[in-house]
Amino acid sequence: NAGVMQNPRHLVRRRGQEARLRCSPMKGHSHVYWYRQLPEEGLKFMVYLQKENIIDESGMPKERFSAEFPKEGPSILRIQQVVRGDSAAYFCASSPGLTSGRTDTQYFGPGTRLTVL
Amino acid sequence: GENVEQHPSTLSVQEGDSAVIKCTYSDSASNYFPWYKQELGKGPQLIIDIRSNVGEKKDQRIAVTLNKTAKHFSLHITETQPEDSAVYFCAASKGPNFNKFYFGSGTKLNVKP
Repeated sequence: NAGVMQNPRHLVRRRGQEARLRCSPMKGHSHVYWYRQLPEEGLKFMVYLQKENIIDESGMPKERFSAEFPKEGPSILRIQQVVRGDSAAYFCASSPGLTSGRTDTQYFGPGTRLTVL
Repeated sequence: GENVEQHPSTLSVQEGDSAVIKCTYSDSASNYFPWYKQELGKGPQLIIDIRSNVGEKKDQRIAVTLNKTAKHFSLHITETQPEDSAVYFCAASKGPNFNKFYFGSGTKLNVKP
């Protein structure tokens, strides 16, 4: 009964390094979403992916951020040349596909807390 | 785009009392409204949701009401317990794909024993 899994749970990077966050959706889910949460704030949508496709990336910063969900393996959120302002909690959520069940409900993982020194 | 506002930002109640958290939304096309509970250091956990074709939904001590005309929805927790203490978020999205959730800013609920 594994839920959405994210790793690492905590990640420390120095300015200019790359951060790579991983998300494995719930079993049977083919839709993945990434959200960012700044301290004391709500979650902000970043990107929505299906296997091998980016469906909606309207919340992603134009530079340094990218996401993928390959045919095999977890979804990856990649942040290049991190800056202090990237420090936040990054949450992944998943939902079933249209043919599998409800598409409206999203189930969240425990998050990755990124700290940029 | 959609704008979701949530009030209050903090709420302190005595154990056994009721707690009410309110949210408003701006996009009349939104038709799905989930509520999440987030404990310290954890991810948001879905506790209840409501779709626009109903006005109220209840699950044990938790209920949600929706007023489509006024574009607001509320979370009601009765007989609060210390373990209800957490941050609660409302969200809104719209079909047919519901792929983007717009979250409120959160309410920190403290239930005093």
